[in-house]
Amino acid sequence: QSALTQPASVSGSPGQSITISCTGTSSDVGTYNLVSWYQQHPGKAPKLMIYEVTKRPSGLSDRFSGSKSGNTASLTISGLQAEVEADYYCSSYTGRITFPYVFGTGTKVTVL
Amino acid sequence: QVHLVQSGAEVKKPGASVKVSCKASGYTFTGYYMHWVRQAPGQGLEWMGRINPNTGDTNYAQMFQGRVTMTRDTSISTAYMDLSRLRSDDTAVYYCARGSSSWDLDYWGQGTLVTVSS
Repeated sequence: QSALTQPASVSGSPGQSITISCTGTSSDVGTYNLVSWYQQHPGKAPKLMIYEVTKRPSGLSDRFSGSKSGNTASLTISGLQAEVEADYYCSSYTGRITFPYVFGTGTKVTVL
Repeated sequence: QVHLVQSGAEVKKPGASVKVSCKASGYTFTGYYMHWVRQAPGQGLEWMGRINPNTGDTNYAQMFQGRVTMTRDTSISTAYMDLSRLRSDDTAVYYCARGSSSWDLDYWGQGTLVTVSS
């Protein structure tokens, strides 16, 4: 099962906005609105940031937003601050019995 | 509040098995799936499978079929992941994570490092 495709790295200056893409296929991202995004700081467990493409868990900053177009989902982080520097992973339900859930390849976000 | 507390680090020899536990608290254990995800050193996240703690039903990723067994003990709100026939490339941090009906993983354990080395 192939992982969803993400850029290896994205960077931006404090205060700017960045967008991370997550490309799947018409069988996963393109069909199901079950895309999630996770933030992972070094040595820590992942943290859910976005679920069902656009929804934010309670208490999460509205500087994080999600969207989807066709087979590609996106995470936008606005008003960049140092604490958002981390790895980000997307994921999607695939509907396949043999591999119903897949993660993206991961993106390192750097705040310049 | 929700907490998932995992068992400690393990060192195993190739060919051996490892069993990692994940004790849940702060919510109804049987009301949410429990997923297992692993991360090899410097690598990305890899989904291994999930268990329905209410029924015991499991879904495993195909690449782990035949080697992984996920179980639970509802009396102590604990899920287990057993991986057999260990290889060196099974060296990774193994996470349990609570799953919702929409397949998002909203709470994660702290991770358990499993090292496979002769």
